[in-house]
Amino acid sequence: SQQGEEDPQALSIQEGENATMNCSYKTSINNLQWYRQNSGRGLVHLILIRSNEREKHSGRLRVTLDTSKKSSSLLITASRAADTASYFCATVQSGYSTLTFGKGTMLLVSP
Amino acid sequence: DAEITQSPRHKITETGRQVTLACHQTWNHNNMFWYRQDLGHGLRLIHYSYGVQDTNKGEVSDGYSVSRSNTEDLPLTLESAASSQTSVYFCASSEQGTGADTQYFGPGTRLTVL
Repeated sequence: SQQGEEDPQALSIQEGENATMNCSYKTSINNLQWYRQNSGRGLVHLILIRSNEREKHSGRLRVTLDTSKKSSSLLITASRAADTASYFCATVQSGYSTLTFGKGTMLLVSP
Repeated sequence: DAEITQSPRHKITETGRQVTLACHQTWNHNNMFWYRQDLGHGLRLIHYSYGVQDTNKGEVSDGYSVSRSNTEDLPLTLESAASSQTSVYFCASSEQGTGADTQYFGPGTRLTVL
């Protein structure tokens, strides 16, 4: 069953704008991860945030985690056309050791 | 550079045939995973392994099997292919003691069952 659900399903923005994607989940987690998938390719790990962390940064990426609301957000600042991809959140539930993926957000960044 | 490869990249087969998808990683990772990706479902875990001779069932394991005879390879076998198994299959690996850490994905195999 799907643990994480991304919102929105699709997002279209212009280069230079910020993109925000949200992920909600249902049960307690050990950590939450974000992955990117370019069309026709495998997934690439972007960032991991643990349940005792509230915010992490990596380059133009900012991830927040609110365990009280069971939600996370991924912010991509100053987006580029090369950021066009699908973005997935994945959770590791407490007591488990495997990833459960959401259905993803398709991001289109237009020049 | 270390990598994870899948073969074939594309496969067309007929209902009822046995099909094996290969996954090979040179990361020397203990953990390996197989997922399928379908529109509207995201990625779903089929089988996984935490080391040689270890295999475990995932969320959608019916009709699939795996075996782990060495660290580098985790082949996925469809015992009797069905049209419902038409999908894109991804293999992944991770280093740590559990699957809870970063996973590295292969490029995928697109399987069509006619």
